[in-house]
Amino acid sequence: GENVEQHPSTLSVQEGDSAVIKCTYSDSASNYFPWYKQELGKRPQLIIDIRSNVGEKKDQRIAVTLNKTAKHFSLHITETQPEDSAVYFCAASIGTDKLIFGTGTRLQVFP
Amino acid sequence: ETGVTQSPTHLIKTRGQQVTLRCSSQSGHNTVSWYQQALGQGPQFIFQYYREEENGRGNFPPRFSGLQFPNYSSELNVNALELDDSALYLCASSLKGVADTQYFGPGTRLTVL
Repeated sequence: GENVEQHPSTLSVQEGDSAVIKCTYSDSASNYFPWYKQELGKRPQLIIDIRSNVGEKKDQRIAVTLNKTAKHFSLHITETQPEDSAVYFCAASIGTDKLIFGTGTRLQVFP
Repeated sequence: ETGVTQSPTHLIKTRGQQVTLRCSSQSGHNTVSWYQQALGQGPQFIFQYYREEENGRGNFPPRFSGLQFPNYSSELNVNALELDDSALYLCASSLKGVADTQYFGPGTRLTVL
């Protein structure tokens, strides 16, 4: 069925280190892959997205890579800062009318 | 440009009751999607409305229904509330469907007792 798996569920890093979160999707027709950051008690905020015609996209300290053959995509955060601490969700589009989210990764960045 | 707003912020209902949640989309957006987010989980897609028509639905029973109005604001209605319906309900608006950047509202926290 329609499914997005996300790993790890929790991730602790030291300030300045890199963090990588990985997602796998099931629908080979998925063509849009956003990443959201959700701080405690707040709404999900889009931090970066990628479409299936692109293999990699970067925005300052954040990058996303997509491997369509393997049906997985990853979020890379470099030079992590304490304010990066939050829950991160990946998502994949299913057709033109659904967006399926992963189960989330709680990132903690220790000073 | 105004952002996505939702009302009410919090709501407490008892099992069996009915509830209506409201969402105002971002200016210029004609698509609204609704999600249920249980504690510690990712948002679960309920349905999407595009130009006043339901345009896609997730695995939710018919007691979850919705409306979209000519100004593209939207309502989520839930009948015969169950304890498991307790969650944060999020709406998100976009210009053209889910494969476009979705902007989330702050959510409505529903508690069913």
